[in-house]
Amino acid sequence: QKEVEQDPGPLSVPEGAIVSLNCTYSNSAFQYFMWYRQYSRKGPELLMYTYSSGNKEDGRFTAQVDKSSKYISLFIRDSQPSDSATYLCAMSETSGGYQKVTFGTGTKLQVIP
Amino acid sequence: EAQVTQNPRYLITVTGKKLTVTCSQNMNHEYMSWYRQDPGLGLRQIYYSMNVEVTDKGDVPEGYKVSRKEKRNFPLILESPSPNQTSLYFCASRSVSGTGVSYEQYFGPGTRLTVT
Repeated sequence: QKEVEQDPGPLSVPEGAIVSLNCTYSNSAFQYFMWYRQYSRKGPELLMYTYSSGNKEDGRFTAQVDKSSKYISLFIRDSQPSDSATYLCAMSETSGGYQKVTFGTGTKLQVIP
Repeated sequence: EAQVTQNPRYLITVTGKKLTVTCSQNMNHEYMSWYRQDPGLGLRQIYYSMNVEVTDKGDVPEGYKVSRKEKRNFPLILESPSPNQTSLYFCASRSVSGTGVSYEQYFGPGTRLTVT
């Protein structure tokens, strides 16, 4: 079993829809949770990060963490064609003084105009 | 402009021919990493470095070497490439806060390597 599970999609939605992207994890030592966005032929870039259980909002994006269920989500409101990308969840733990980051496999999202 | 650069961006080579992929960052970051990205497997860490002359293995280090002689540079070396090393490679860097925590990794644009 992988430490981080993420549905690869692809997920196709109409413009303006609310998008829900999810990851589950099995490692209780994960402390920090991040979402990266990766456009085609580009490197990933950080979208949001959070530490505690609960919600964190940034514009049209909301990151949600439920540590008791080992489940994190990213919601995108009023989705735009420019949101079409692959979304990677990432989680980190500190081991031996080093903060190790584990990535999900990514969900490919397409927003159709 | 803050950035991580990688060269080359695309490389086709043959089995056994040594190659080096360069990585450089201009943000004075302590931590640097190499990842490979494969369909269905996501990003997997190959090697990382916590500072100059300090490197350690990640999850998939076999067949790779790294060195960190300068803070800004972190080259990835494939001494004898094999077809199973065909992949998309990313270099990344990040700073470290006083508590040892950092959230944001900055990734390079990627190097697509094909080994025939």
